[in-house]
Amino acid sequence: ETGVTQSPTHLIKTRGQQVTLRCSSQSGHNTVSWYQQALGQGPQFIFQYYREEENGRGNFPPRFSGLQFPNYSSELNVNALELDDSALYLCASSLRVGAGVYEQYFGPGTRLTVT
Amino acid sequence: DQQVKQNSPSLSVQEGRISILNCDYTNSMFDYFLWYKKYPAEGPTFLISISSIKDKNEDGRFTVFLNKSAKHLSLHIVPSQPGDSAVYFCAALTGGGNKLTFGTGTQLKVEL
Repeated sequence: ETGVTQSPTHLIKTRGQQVTLRCSSQSGHNTVSWYQQALGQGPQFIFQYYREEENGRGNFPPRFSGLQFPNYSSELNVNALELDDSALYLCASSLRVGAGVYEQYFGPGTRLTVT
Repeated sequence: DQQVKQNSPSLSVQEGRISILNCDYTNSMFDYFLWYKKYPAEGPTFLISISSIKDKNEDGRFTVFLNKSAKHLSLHIVPSQPGDSAVYFCAALTGGGNKLTFGTGTQLKVEL
């Protein structure tokens, strides 16, 4: 069984640039969620994708967008990067059964630094 | 508004003793709770969960207790091992929903 993988591991970008982060789900999972973890904080929910559609969004501006592909992998795109976007970005996959999503399994994260 | 709170940023315990990590929540709509462990440079690892219809769930050395009236849960690790040293996050869900709401974490250090 393959776990959740994310790429790249680390990334440095300049303010105003755009970035794309990638995630491959755990085998058998159909749902992907993205979280942002700032230093010293718990992860904050950005959004979730199920069947290639956004299925819930946290308190993040529209410049944070995403995609889910037919193989359940996913991308997180952030436009017009700001210094405060510097954080660890975590992808989590899960299996949606009926209306519920419960345990989410996380990848190792992408550390984004905006200068 | 911090809906899930872990008021102890750090905890130090001797090897072999019990570790008790606490978590409080304010949203009464939360009905499923999870604990994650996080090592540096890794993503959170799922440990154990509990539904609001239960007050205890046990898995090996890990037991989670839920007190709904107090909106409080705790994670007990017995016996504690040096490999348990990590940051522990409490998280909550509403109605099988999509969004995990996390606390700020507790750094556990298990000393020899």
